[in-house]
Amino acid sequence: DIQMTQSPPSLSAFVGDRVNLTCRASQNIRRYLNWYLQKQGKAPQVLISGASTLQNGVPERFSGSGSGTDFTLTISSLQPEDSATYYCQQSYSIPPITFGQGTRLEI
Amino acid sequence: QVQLVQSGAEVKEPGASVKISCEASGYTLTTHYLNWVRQGPGQGLEWVGMIDPRGGSTSYAQQFQGRVALTSDTSTSTVFLDLRSLRSDDTAVYYCARDSTDGEYVFDTWGQGTLVTVSS
Repeated sequence: DIQMTQSPPSLSAFVGDRVNLTCRASQNIRRYLNWYLQKQGKAPQVLISGASTLQNGVPERFSGSGSGTDFTLTISSLQPEDSATYYCQQSYSIPPITFGQGTRLEI
Repeated sequence: QVQLVQSGAEVKEPGASVKISCEASGYTLTTHYLNWVRQGPGQGLEWVGMIDPRGGSTSYAQQFQGRVALTSDTSTSTVFLDLRSLRSDDTAVYYCARDSTDGEYVFDTWGQGTLVTVSS
C-alpha cells in the first residue's frame, strides 16, 4: 500500500498569511494526488485533483503543485473560513485508496 | 443538484451487523462509481471500498475483506454498505462519496455521514 505522510500535523496562522501544507507519498504516484478540506462536523470536500487542478467553485487562493512523491497545497491569503483539516489522497494505486493523516489549520 | 443522502445513526452491539444506505439524486446512479470512506472519532479518513452500480462489481480495502459487502439498487438509486462482526473500533462516521469520473477516484460529492456506534 502507498503511505501518505502530511506535514505539519497542525498549524496556526493569521488572516492574510500564505501557508504551505505538504504531502509525501511512499512511492512515485506521478500526479495522482487530490486535496480535500474538512470542516468540523462536516463531510470532506474536494479542492484540487491531479495535483494542481482547482475544482469548480474553489477560491483561487488555493493552489497545488508537485509530482512524483512530493506535493504542496498553498493557500495564498488565509481567510477565517479556511480553518479546517486538510487531507491529501492518492489515486494512483488502487486498491486501496489512501489518505494522509491530515493537517489541522487554525486561523 | 447532485446529492447523496445517507440513512440515520445506528447503535449496535459487538458481533452484530449494520447496513447503511446512500441514496443518490440529481444524476443517474449507474454513471459513477460510489465509494465508502469512514472516520473514527478524532481520526483521519479510511477508504472502505467501492462499487460500480452498473454491474455491481466491487473492490474492498484488505482490512475489511470478508466482513463488508457493498450492493446497489438501481431502481431506488441507492447503494448499501453491510458490515458484519462489528467491533468497537468500527465505531466511526461512514461516508459515501461519488467518483467524479469512473476510475479517477476523485470524490466530488459526499453524503452527510452516518454515525455507527458499536458498544455493549
